[in-house]
Amino acid sequence: GAVVSQHPSRVICKSGTSVKIECRSLDFQATTMFWYRQFPKQSLMLMATSNEGSKATYEQGVEKDKFLINHASLTLSTLTVTSAHPEDSSFYICSASKTGEKLFFGSGTQLSVL
Amino acid sequence: QKEVEQDPGPLSVPEGAIVSLNCTYSNSAFQYFMWYRQYSRKGPELLMYTYSSGNKEDGRFTAQVDKSSKYISLFIRDSQPSDSATYLCAMSEQGAQKLVFGQGTRLTINP
Repeated sequence: GAVVSQHPSRVICKSGTSVKIECRSLDFQATTMFWYRQFPKQSLMLMATSNEGSKATYEQGVEKDKFLINHASLTLSTLTVTSAHPEDSSFYICSASKTGEKLFFGSGTQLSVL
Repeated sequence: QKEVEQDPGPLSVPEGAIVSLNCTYSNSAFQYFMWYRQYSRKGPELLMYTYSSGNKEDGRFTAQVDKSSKYISLFIRDSQPSDSATYLCAMSEQGAQKLVFGQGTRLTINP
């Protein structure tokens, strides 16, 4: 399967700071990447679709000014959680598809906001 | 009603048993069906991928899709302790676009 790398795997930050998470497709070019969020013992919820060279598409209820997505190249998408608060603490996972059908996930980032 | 329903378990079975996991869904437009395995604090790993109805087998894993009943299943034969994980079903109308996930079933295989 395709390889998607995500960094960092874990981050702890103070309330009010911003955190950037990187997602890279290592062995293929991804014009589209997806960002998911997962709370403990819950399923994955799609936050936004990241499109290379254009604005991201956000799902209903996701604040685009809080969760900034940049897809500057065909192999890199970043998610920045701005002015993070404790309620933003969650497991964030990026994903990408090589063929538009099968979706492969990164290893996830556990964000803890104190 | 959730678009995809999956019993969260937990499900505990002895090593060597056949495991049956399943999901039901309400959207008849779903065409792509997937099963993912997720270990704690890790990203989901794609196990099985099926387009439309039918069966698919890969080693000890068999995926079944019954679109008429809006029901999908994953069978694990000769289960191993290393199979202990959360199994998530996922489906979509357009391949990798807008996947909808089930809640996930926590599975434990006891040695």
